[in-house]
Amino acid sequence: GQNIDQPTEMTATEGAIVQINCTYQTSGFNGLFWYQQHAGEAPTFLSYNVLDGLEEKGRFSSFLSRSKGYSYLLLKELQMKDSASYLCAVTDSNYQLIWGAGTKLIIKP
Amino acid sequence: IAGITQAPTSQILAAGRRMTLRCTQDMRHNAMYWYRQDLGLGLRLIHYSNTAGTTGKGEVPDGYSVSRANTDDFPLTLASAVPSQTSVYFCASSDTAGGGGNTIYFGEGSWLTVV
Repeated sequence: GQNIDQPTEMTATEGAIVQINCTYQTSGFNGLFWYQQHAGEAPTFLSYNVLDGLEEKGRFSSFLSRSKGYSYLLLKELQMKDSASYLCAVTDSNYQLIWGAGTKLIIKP
Repeated sequence: IAGITQAPTSQILAAGRRMTLRCTQDMRHNAMYWYRQDLGLGLRLIHYSNTAGTTGKGEVPDGYSVSRANTDDFPLTLASAVPSQTSVYFCASSDTAGGGGNTIYFGEGSWLTVV
């Protein structure tokens, strides 16, 4: 079966750095997405990785290792507005998106 | 830019009733999707449409039907609602079907409670 694993919940302090991990087992791989979802709102696109390595976009970075079936989202200089759920999704060999259940990130002052 | 508009935003529905959730996009995207999101389960694909005139079944299609008469509209119908269909429903679209680097954009969601 296809599976995406993320921690259910994480807590971090304002101004700090947090790393949210995602591991996947899918039938093929055609890219990995990270989405942010604030409570009661729609998911919004954060990043896309298809090749190994680190993609940096402002305070957010996303890393991919295809051989390990592993990705992480790194958030720097945390702000209270970063409190949200972070969804990892993988495109499989049929170009279907497989979604993780999401990681709820709680930021404390 | 409106993007994707869903209606209604929320609804309480009696079991056994028929309900249609409306979805309209103004981005001229070819592909559209309906997801449901339940606590602890993540987003699950109900139905999808790769282009106007075609539809396909996703992971959890039972009890739901869709149509795609034109590019912009993709309504989701619950023929006879049951309490297990209580969920938040997201309509989404992408420029083309088939993942890759093809970003999916989401509507604001429709909160449905079946009692």
